[in-house]
Amino acid sequence: RKEVEQDPGPFNVPEGATVAFNCTYSNSASQSFFWYRQDCRKEPKLLMSVYSSGNEDGRFTAQLNRASQYISLLIRDSKLSDSATYLCVVSYSASKIIFGSGTRLSIRP
Amino acid sequence: DAGVIQSPRHEVTEMGQEVTLRCKPISGHDYLFWYRQTMMRGLELLIYFNNNVPIDDSGMPEDRFSAKMPNASFSTLKIQPSEPRDSAVYFCASRAGDRYGYTFGSGTRLTVV
Repeated sequence: RKEVEQDPGPFNVPEGATVAFNCTYSNSASQSFFWYRQDCRKEPKLLMSVYSSGNEDGRFTAQLNRASQYISLLIRDSKLSDSATYLCVVSYSASKIIFGSGTRLSIRP
Repeated sequence: DAGVIQSPRHEVTEMGQEVTLRCKPISGHDYLFWYRQTMMRGLELLIYFNNNVPIDDSGMPEDRFSAKMPNASFSTLKIQPSEPRDSAVYFCASRAGDRYGYTFGSGTRLTVV
């Protein structure tokens, strides 16, 4: 079993739709959680950290469920520019960071 | 802040040649990481440094790969001799402690023919 697992997608949704991704992790000692976005032929960029109480940044909402060991990302009112690969990242320490393999999202007009 | 700076952006070389990739981390970040990304294997951690000291190089595929960090503002990843299967995008990333995410450089796209 992979330490961090994501549905690879692709998710193909119309503009304006709401889309949600889940990510599960296997190590209960995980301490920090992040969502990264990676555009084609670009580097991964930090989208948002995920806090225990859940957090929101504009159209994006991230949640953490420690009991079930998963994190989620919700995108509301999706835009064409949201098309990218979304990477779930779990950190056990400053140096031990595990990247999921990514979920591809494609927003169609 | 200029972010993490990598060079070159693209490198095409012949099998057997030496390749050197360079990275300048964000000032003040005490962790530096080298990753490799391919379609088949995703992001793979090769090696990381803490305060310029190599901590874990278990991800370095073979002895052909070596990395150095002579000071806090510069690191290199060297492949000698290069092989076609080394073709990938190599990312450098830096981090300040364990509460923050990585910042990645733009990557070096390496093609070995």
